[in-house]
Amino acid sequence: DGGITQSPKYLFRKEGQNVTLSCEQNLNHDAMYWYRQDPGQGLRLIYYSQIVNDFQKGDIAEGYSVSREKKESFPLTVTSAQKNPTAFYLCASRTFVGTSNQPQHFGDGTRLSIL
Amino acid sequence: QKEVEQNSGPLSVPEGAIASLNCTYSDRGSQSFFWYRQYSGKSPELIMSIYSNGDKEDGRFTAQLNKASQYVSLLIRDSQPSDSATYLCAASTRARQLTFGSGTQLTVLP
Repeated sequence: DGGITQSPKYLFRKEGQNVTLSCEQNLNHDAMYWYRQDPGQGLRLIYYSQIVNDFQKGDIAEGYSVSREKKESFPLTVTSAQKNPTAFYLCASRTFVGTSNQPQHFGDGTRLSIL
Repeated sequence: QKEVEQNSGPLSVPEGAIASLNCTYSDRGSQSFFWYRQYSGKSPELIMSIYSNGDKEDGRFTAQLNKASQYVSLLIRDSQPSDSATYLCAASTRARQLTFGSGTQLTVLP
């Protein structure tokens, strides 16, 4: 079945540690996105990529890094510079096929907490 | 001013009633609009897309778009307890991204 797979589902970070969240899609979608959601809040865009080997900062990129070496994969690293990383992290993707602005579809998310 | 605004609620309706969720947006260049449903602890799920002025119906859901008023709404007919969730409104931007509202929490009372 086609879809977006995020792993792990739960992740704990120690002080000063970098952690990497995985996002893989087999939908052949062109663009991929990372969002952060805090309790009772909407989604805030961290980074996005519309093509392999290219990505752009979103609204809250500080303390995060990404790579897009393959069309299917868009991992997010939460660095030690991100002082408040506890949140629900969502990966999304969309296709550019068609004339209309296609919707984004989401993975199941990764819940990150500080130890 | 937030780019996409929604009433945060919570909104409570009795089972079988019509739930009405509203959203306004500030970017007149937005062309595409989406409603997502998010159950507690889960990821958002797309339920409606709308691109043209007017109404779009899909089962018990109707999305309404008025670009002149920069207003999008979602009506849920014959509301069920299983419709209890947070509903996120999203609007496309000129850079082909989506801007999300903070969501409206809906509770359908049995």
